[in-house]
Amino acid sequence: GIQVEQSPPDLILQEGANSTLRCNFSDSVNNLQWFHQNPWGQLINLFYIPSGTKQNGRLSATTVATERYSLLYISSSQTTDSGVYFCASRSNDYKLSFGAGTTVTVRA
Amino acid sequence: DTAVSQTPKYLVTQMGNDKSIKCEQNLGHDTMYWYKQDSKKFLKIMFSYNNKELIINETVPNRFSPKSPDKAHLNLHINSLELGDSAVYFCASSQDIWRREGTDTQYFGPGTRLTVL
Repeated sequence: GIQVEQSPPDLILQEGANSTLRCNFSDSVNNLQWFHQNPWGQLINLFYIPSGTKQNGRLSATTVATERYSLLYISSSQTTDSGVYFCASRSNDYKLSFGAGTTVTVRA
Repeated sequence: DTAVSQTPKYLVTQMGNDKSIKCEQNLGHDTMYWYKQDSKKFLKIMFSYNNKELIINETVPNRFSPKSPDKAHLNLHINSLELGDSAVYFCASSQDIWRREGTDTQYFGPGTRLTVL
């Protein structure tokens, strides 16, 4: 399957700060999803973004498929943004491969 | 209204026992999945069913057997539990496998934390 690398592995933010999370993938993909796992373990789909840019409130994501990366932007971070952010991508075998995640801690 | 539900939420059992985890989705989706999340938070797909047909069967021990009685349900049965099976197991569903853009957006259940003693 496809290899997915996320950086940084850990991120500590002061409330109100902005940040960028990165996801690199090893091959051409036809699918890229971002997820947030909150401190209680619930996984929520944030974006389906195989290419281009999308925004949802304070979060936005950009995927540059030709260069095999995707970025997730968090603006004006809040404590509720804490948790683990995963990206996942798929090549042609129906299997979604996840990165190891970025653990974000937002301090009040 | 719970979209993807799993039972039980917590499962503590002894090595060698057999246990099942149930999953149900009320989203009308055709595709369901089981994922395993280990202690380092790494998520890995185990199985996927599309319209009750097995389409993904990753390299997992054959002690793990999924069963899909209908497209709204995907259960996971584990025989002869081992210490290494301790993990959080997530069920997920999507509208379809990837046929059209966006149809495999994953919706996850709350997870089942399995602890094998």
